[in-house]
Amino acid sequence: SQTIHQWPATLVQPVGSPLSLECTVEGTSNPNLYWYRQAAGRGLQLLFYSVGIGQISSEVPQNLSASRPQDRQFILSSKKLLLSDSGFYLCAWSAWRGSREQYFGPGTRLTVT
Amino acid sequence: AQSVAQPEDQVNVAEGNPLTVKCTYSVSGNPYLFWYVQYPNRGLQFLLKYITGDNLVKGSYGFEAEFNKSQTSFHLKKPSALVSDSALYFCAVRENRGNAGKSTFGDGTTLTVKP
Repeated sequence: SQTIHQWPATLVQPVGSPLSLECTVEGTSNPNLYWYRQAAGRGLQLLFYSVGIGQISSEVPQNLSASRPQDRQFILSSKKLLLSDSGFYLCAWSAWRGSREQYFGPGTRLTVT
Repeated sequence: AQSVAQPEDQVNVAEGNPLTVKCTYSVSGNPYLFWYVQYPNRGLQFLLKYITGDNLVKGSYGFEAEFNKSQTSFHLKKPSALVSDSALYFCAVRENRGNAGKSTFGDGTTLTVKP
């Protein structure tokens, strides 16, 4: 069966510090991968998605970036965090074909102080 | 372009009563439709999907959803609500076309089931 991992679960970082959130998927090959941000327990904002190694599409211009160095690894980064980067970050995967329902990781709660 | 609307921010029902969480969508072609549930401080969980065929789709935890093409709706239903069903529910749509892999999510509906 497939499993998706995210870490860390919670993170408190000062403004201006760097960020690295990691997501890995097990039990599937060539997944589509997604990074979302959720503010205040409401709607999801798609930040990045990837259909393959090194292939990243950015949905929202911002100071965040994403990388996919391996087939089942997806990393969200920032060089300098802003207060507005606080939120709940969710990684998800879907199959690369078919209906592509998404399966989400447990999330990372980021607080920028 | 594709979009999803969940017209109710909040739905309250009594335990044992039927529940409905509403969703309408817009796509250029044929849709794939999904429902997800999110418990506090957790990731979303996939509940069910409509691809094609029978308009009534059954999913996890006794939930079902009815696809209505003429009304472009995909409402989530359950015959008898449980307190443990209280959560945030998201509807999502993806156009059934080519390599369009991204789903568009609604803003979510908070379901509260009272004992």
